[in-house]
Amino acid sequence: EDKVVQSPLSLVVHEGDTVTLNCSYEVTNFRSLLWYKQEKKAPTFLFMLTSSGIEKKSGRLSSILDKKELSSILNITATQTGDSAIYLCAAGGTSYGKLTFGQGTILTVHP
Amino acid sequence: DGGITQSPKYLFRKEGQNVTLSCEQNLNHDAMYWYRQDPGQGLRLIYYSQIVNDFQKGDIAEGYSVSREKKESFPLTVTSAQKNPTAFYLCASSEGEKQPQHFGDGTRLSIL
Repeated sequence: EDKVVQSPLSLVVHEGDTVTLNCSYEVTNFRSLLWYKQEKKAPTFLFMLTSSGIEKKSGRLSSILDKKELSSILNITATQTGDSAIYLCAAGGTSYGKLTFGQGTILTVHP
Repeated sequence: DGGITQSPKYLFRKEGQNVTLSCEQNLNHDAMYWYRQDPGQGLRLIYYSQIVNDFQKGDIAEGYSVSREKKESFPLTVTSAQKNPTAFYLCASSEGEKQPQHFGDGTRLSIL
């Protein structure tokens, strides 16, 4: 059975801190690893990673995949209160479009 | 604006009742998906459809049914056989299997 585990489950920081969120996966015929940010409603897409060692970056957010360790990290630098959200990690194998999601990490950024 | 529209935002079900959640997309995406989200459990796949008139069960299909008669629409029926329907239901679509999924705003279903 495919499995994705995220850590920590929750994190409280102050504005300006840097955070690292972790995601490990066990997925048959792994193809891709995705990160989403969920505030109140729809998860919004952040990154899709398919190749090991290549960092993807968007503003203060960055992510990298390590296929040898079956894991990925999401880094957020200079955190802001608007970064408070649930961060979801999902892994996909070769079964068409089927993603397995982790439990999510709840990030709270205090002013 | 292109996007995925789910309705209603809130829905209440009585005992023994079937209810249908709507999902419409105008992104011209081929694939559509239904997930259920419970606190502390992430998202779990209920059903997915790669193409019109075809759909497959996900990990937790029991007590649910779907149809895909039009490319833009993928309604989910929560039947009376689903004994624990209280959850947040999310619909998603993607251009293809190698493309990221994009989500609607969700429907929150509760039991009366």
